[in-house]
Amino acid sequence: AQRVTQPEKLLSVFKGAPVELKCNYSYSGSPELFWYVQYSRQRLQLLLRHISRESIKGFTADLNKGETSFHLKKPFAQEEDSAMYYCALPTGNQFYFGTGTSLTVIP
Amino acid sequence: DSGVTQTPKHLITATGQRVTLRCSPRSGDLSVYWYQQSLDQGLQFLIQYYNGEERAKGNILERFSAQQFPDLHSELNLSSLELGDSALYFCASSVTVDTRGGYTFGSGTRLTVV
Repeated sequence: AQRVTQPEKLLSVFKGAPVELKCNYSYSGSPELFWYVQYSRQRLQLLLRHISRESIKGFTADLNKGETSFHLKKPFAQEEDSAMYYCALPTGNQFYFGTGTSLTVIP
Repeated sequence: DSGVTQTPKHLITATGQRVTLRCSPRSGDLSVYWYQQSLDQGLQFLIQYYNGEERAKGNILERFSAQQFPDLHSELNLSSLELGDSALYFCASSVTVDTRGGYTFGSGTRLTVV
């Protein structure tokens, strides 16, 4: 069964510190994975997707098929990064979203 | 502005009532998806329409229904409302019938049932 797991509900880091938001998936096949970000209960915005291998706002994510993970990383956290982050696995006509990780960057 | 428009932004109604949420997709997008976001359930997929036809159904209650009109806007109808239906309801749209390329989300309708 398809599943996305984000083990951390809450994550706090200090400004300037590295941050890693964890995402593990369960999918039989070659997955395409996405990260969405939601600021203050506003609309979800696409942050990045693994197929494009791009870096947005300093964030990167690498698909590790061996560990079935797609962790989101940033070397130096900024206060404006405080938000809710969702890992998403598209399957057919819908996305399976993880339960989200709320990131707080402490000044 | 993402291009996906949802109205109203906020809605407060009593238990047992019926409400209609509206979504206009981004120009050129044929697919519309509805999601419910609650504190305890996270983001739950409700239903998808593509070019006027229902294409996928998720965890949508029988009290809820949706449709997509010829101009591609969509409405989500929620009836016999219960306190537990209080949530943020998001609409998203995409060009394709599937999830390739991701979605564009609207700003959501915050429904409060009292």
